[in-house]
Amino acid sequence: DAKTTQPTSMDCAEGRAANLPCNHSTISGNEYVYWYRQIHSQGPQYIIHGLKNNETNEMASLIITEDRKSSTLILPHATLRDTAVYYCIVRFRDNYGQNFVFGPGTRLSVLP
Amino acid sequence: GAVVSQHPSRVICKSGTSVKIECRSLDFQATTMFWYRQFPKQSLMLMATSNEGSKATYEQGVEKDKFLINHASLTLSTLTVTSAHPEDSSFYICSARTQQGASEKLFFGSGTQLSVL
Repeated sequence: DAKTTQPTSMDCAEGRAANLPCNHSTISGNEYVYWYRQIHSQGPQYIIHGLKNNETNEMASLIITEDRKSSTLILPHATLRDTAVYYCIVRFRDNYGQNFVFGPGTRLSVLP
Repeated sequence: GAVVSQHPSRVICKSGTSVKIECRSLDFQATTMFWYRQFPKQSLMLMATSNEGSKATYEQGVEKDKFLINHASLTLSTLTVTSAHPEDSSFYICSARTQQGASEKLFFGSGTQLSVL
């Protein structure tokens, strides 16, 4: 699975959009981009994933560049409860049964 | 989304005792579950892959005789930390894999904080 690079930490004002970038310049055509987050002392929570097209669900939006070498997770109206570590993971579609590799992630602090 | 239940959420034990942690997929069947360990301010590190009906696959450096994994059914995997020592104190997290068509996801338990005195 391709390696990802994320900023170590970010701040965001409550109520504003939080835009979390992820670089995955070595991604291949069959690799999906996944986002998870981990709130302190809890297990990671699935947020969203995508392959080529932009995706949106009730939690967030995922914007993938046309060349697929980077992506951005958007939390449209951040709240204090969105403070967490956010992990960007790329993974082969057919990598059945294999682990999701977690990097250090981005520590997002939503400020009042 | 799918629910993975992990128990207990917190356990404190004396050095030398064994601790069992359960991981259940509540509304789906999971042929594969993963066990992670996480130390403070660090990311998750995979310990082992648990496959229903077969032996677990351990990552390099993880002692299989110390961390016993049993995946006897499609909804339950257990991790037993045998003869626990203070250095085994950590946050243990399980996850289960779901597959719907081309879409694959991992869902995680809430974690178990183990403190060995």
